[in-house]
Amino acid sequence: GAGVSQSPSNKVTEKGKDVELRCDPISGHTALYWYRQSLGQGLEFLIYFQGNSAPDKSGLPSDRFSAERTGGSVSTLTIQRTQQEDSAVYLCASSLRGGAYTEAFFGQGTRLTVV
Amino acid sequence: AQTVTQSQPEMSVQEAETVTLSCTYDTSESDYYLFWYKQPPSRQMILVIRQEAYKQQNATENRFSVNFQKAAKSFSLKISDSQLGDAAMYFCAQGGQGNLIFGKGTKLSVKP
Repeated sequence: GAGVSQSPSNKVTEKGKDVELRCDPISGHTALYWYRQSLGQGLEFLIYFQGNSAPDKSGLPSDRFSAERTGGSVSTLTIQRTQQEDSAVYLCASSLRGGAYTEAFFGQGTRLTVV
Repeated sequence: AQTVTQSQPEMSVQEAETVTLSCTYDTSESDYYLFWYKQPPSRQMILVIRQEAYKQQNATENRFSVNFQKAAKSFSLKISDSQLGDAAMYFCAQGGQGNLIFGKGTKLSVKP
C-alpha cells in the first residue's frame, strides 16, 4: 500500500485478555516505531526496529508488552493480560532509513479499549 | 537521554494572525534532526516542517517557519496567517542515531 497500515482500527477487549496489534509499514522502509498515545497526551515511545539490528525496547512499560518484526516488514505489538491503564491509541510509524533523519510516516493508529 | 519539552499545553490564535509554539530539547548527539508534526482530530500525524541540526538557516514551508537556536536547544514553530484548518495538536520531535522522541504536544485553537 501507499501508506502505513494498522489493524484493527479499534479494539475492545476484556481485562486480562491478550491482544495483538498489527502494523504494515511502507515498503522499503527499514525503520519502524511503536508509540502509545493516551487520551489528550503526547506520544510515548515504546519500541524501535531498525533493519536487522536488535530492537530498542527501552520504552516498553512492562513485560506484558512485546513486539516483533518479521522479515523486516510487518510488525506485531502484543499486550498480554491487558489492564485498563493499557487503554490508549497505539501508533505505528516507519521511515526510509536508519535513525530518525528522514520523515516518519504514521498509520492512523489502533484505539484499544480495555473494559 | 533524549528529552523534548513543550511548555504550552494549549494555545489560541485569531484567524489570519501569527502564533508561535515553543519547544526545547536535550540530546548528547551532535548530528540530529528536529521536526514539527501536526495531528488533527482525524488522528493522522502529518509532518509540518523539518530542520537539520547542522544547518544554521531556519527551515520554512509556506506559512510555517522555525526559529532554531542550537546553543539554547530551542526549536519554535511560527504559523503565519493562521487558518481554521491549522487547529490541531502540534508535536515537536527530535531524532538522530536512535529513535524519534516526541514532546507532549500543544493544542492549537484558531478563532474565526
